[in-house]
Amino acid sequence: DAKTTQPPSMDCAEGRAANLPCNHSTISGNEYVYWYRQIHSQGPQYIIHGLKNNETNEMASLIITEDRKSSTLILPHATLRDTAVYYCIVRGTTGNQFYFGTGTSLTVIP
Amino acid sequence: GAVVSQHPSRVICKSGTSVKIECRSLDFQATTMFWYRQFPKKSLMLMATSNEGSKATYEQGVEKDKFLINHASLTLSTLTVTSAHPEDSSFYICSARLMDGTGSNSPLHFGNGTRLTVT
Repeated sequence: DAKTTQPPSMDCAEGRAANLPCNHSTISGNEYVYWYRQIHSQGPQYIIHGLKNNETNEMASLIITEDRKSSTLILPHATLRDTAVYYCIVRGTTGNQFYFGTGTSLTVIP
Repeated sequence: GAVVSQHPSRVICKSGTSVKIECRSLDFQATTMFWYRQFPKKSLMLMATSNEGSKATYEQGVEKDKFLINHASLTLSTLTVTSAHPEDSSFYICSARLMDGTGSNSPLHFGNGTRLTVT
């Protein structure tokens, strides 16, 4: 599975959009991009995933570049409860396992 | 939907004893479940893949005799930490994926973890 690179930490003002980038330059054609977040001392929470089209759900939007080498998770109106570590994972449909990188620690500031 | 329940949430045991952690998929069947371990301020590390009705597959460096995995049904996998030592103290997290056909891209769903402290 392709490796991902994320900035170690980011801040965002409450009420503003949080844009979390992820680089996956070695992604292959059948690999999906998944985003999870983990609030302290809890299990990871699934947010969204996509292959090449942009995706949106009630939690967030996922923007994948045309060459699929990078993506951005957008939390449109960040709240204090969005403070967490966000993980970007790339995984193909033939592989079973999800391997976590180091993630981005997002702090939403009042 | 896709709820994964893990029990217990917290356990303290004495060195040398064994501890069993249960992972259940509450509203779906999971032929495969996954066990992770997480140390403070670190990312999740995949330990093993639990396969219903067959042996678990362990990641490199994970001792299979130390971390016994049993996946006896489509909704239950257990992880037993045998002869626990203080260095086994960690946050253990299980996960499962709804299998909706070959080549599924459905996401993993995680339990809320078990905090193990070995004294």
